[in-house]
Amino acid sequence: AQSVTQPDIHITVSEGASLELRCNYSYGATPYLFWYVQSPGQGLQLLLKYFSGDTLVQGIKGFEAEFKRSQSSFNLRKPSVHWSDAAEYFCAVGAGFSGGYNKLIFGAGTRLAVHP
Amino acid sequence: NAGVTQTPKFRVLKTGQSMTLLCAQDMNHEYMYWYRQDPGMGLRLIHYSVGEGTTAKGEVPDGYNVSRLKKQNFLLGLESAAPSQTSVYFCASHQGGGNTIYFGEGSWLTVV
Repeated sequence: AQSVTQPDIHITVSEGASLELRCNYSYGATPYLFWYVQSPGQGLQLLLKYFSGDTLVQGIKGFEAEFKRSQSSFNLRKPSVHWSDAAEYFCAVGAGFSGGYNKLIFGAGTRLAVHP
Repeated sequence: NAGVTQTPKFRVLKTGQSMTLLCAQDMNHEYMYWYRQDPGMGLRLIHYSVGEGTTAKGEVPDGYNVSRLKKQNFLLGLESAAPSQTSVYFCASHQGGGNTIYFGEGSWLTVV
């Protein structure tokens, strides 16, 4: 069965420090992979997505993610965190059929706190 | 462009009451979804639809019903609300294939 694991429930970093959020997936075919961010009381905002091609994907707000098939991972990174990045981050895999997906399966999320 | 719109945004129900959440999208998308979000569990798929007149069960369908009578609307019904259904509900839509999925802003439901 398809699944997504985010091993870190909470992460705290200092403002200006680098960030890496981990995501591992289980899916038999070539995955469609996503990272979303959710600020408190808000909806989901798409940070970036990977469908195919270059395994290093650039997103909004200075985030990037790297797809590593051998490790079944899609980790999210940012070189320098800002206080406004404090939020909850969700990794998701699109599952369904070859050439597309008909549902998203989410990880449990990682809550990021940023210290000044 | 409105995108994906959910109504109502907030609701308090008493145990046993019924209600319907409405999701409307103006992007002519084929696929629509209802998720619930609970602390520490991410978003879990309740039901989804791959086109007008179709519905399918997701991970956590029990206690919910859905209907997709019109392509632009996807309704989520709670026939007899329970406190375990207190959650934030998100609707989403996408065109299919590898296209991006778009989410609504969420509906906060409390069952007392």
